[in-house]
Amino acid sequence: QSALTQPPSASGSPGQSVTISCTGTSSDVGGFNSVSWYQQHPGKAPKLMIYEVTKRPSGVPDRFSGSKSGNTASLTVSGLQAEDEADYYCNSYAGNNNSVFGGGTKLTVL
Amino acid sequence: EVQLVESGGGLVQPGGSLRLSCAASGFTISSYAMSWVRQAPGRGLEWVSSIRGIIASTYYADSVKGRLTISRDNSKNMLYLQMNSLRAEDTAVYYCAKDSSGWSQGVFDYWGQGTLVTVSS
Repeated sequence: QSALTQPPSASGSPGQSVTISCTGTSSDVGGFNSVSWYQQHPGKAPKLMIYEVTKRPSGVPDRFSGSKSGNTASLTVSGLQAEDEADYYCNSYAGNNNSVFGGGTKLTVL
Repeated sequence: EVQLVESGGGLVQPGGSLRLSCAASGFTISSYAMSWVRQAPGRGLEWVSSIRGIIASTYYADSVKGRLTISRDNSKNMLYLQMNSLRAEDTAVYYCAKDSSGWSQGVFDYWGQGTLVTVSS
């Protein structure tokens, strides 16, 4: 149950796009189409932004999109806005009703 | 409206025990998988344990297996986490989270506000 690998930080200017990667193995990210992404503002609970690699829950702006290639999933935030500044965590199903999170990426809007 | 409200956190000595509770409303917990996810101070999220919907099978991260026990009371729509043999590294905010389906696949669509557990002498 090793954590998925995310870059510790990412940044972009308002209006730009930024992509955050999430690398696992064939036992988690690569083995299932069940990667989720969570946004967490300081002192707040996480919020589901993307599930099943590419799907957005109701109410999440379409500026947020997900993809996957092999053992690496990605979250892209387009048209960056100030309120997008937060920590982002990926999560992947890892079999037998277990899941594993990434270490988190702090997104800074410059 | 779905709501999850955790309680039971606090300061406990190493080796001690604590029971966390999560009151659910707006849905029936037995129809969904429910999980506990923790976050140590300044650190990332860590999945701790899940209980499946309907059949109530339980699952644990290796780091807590044998020490933490997840359970639920369907009549009260409550989720619990019994924490025994606590260690300093168990210090964290513990979140109760609802999965989007009856099996725990890591799609946590609703979260509580969290309850802080501090293990220290």
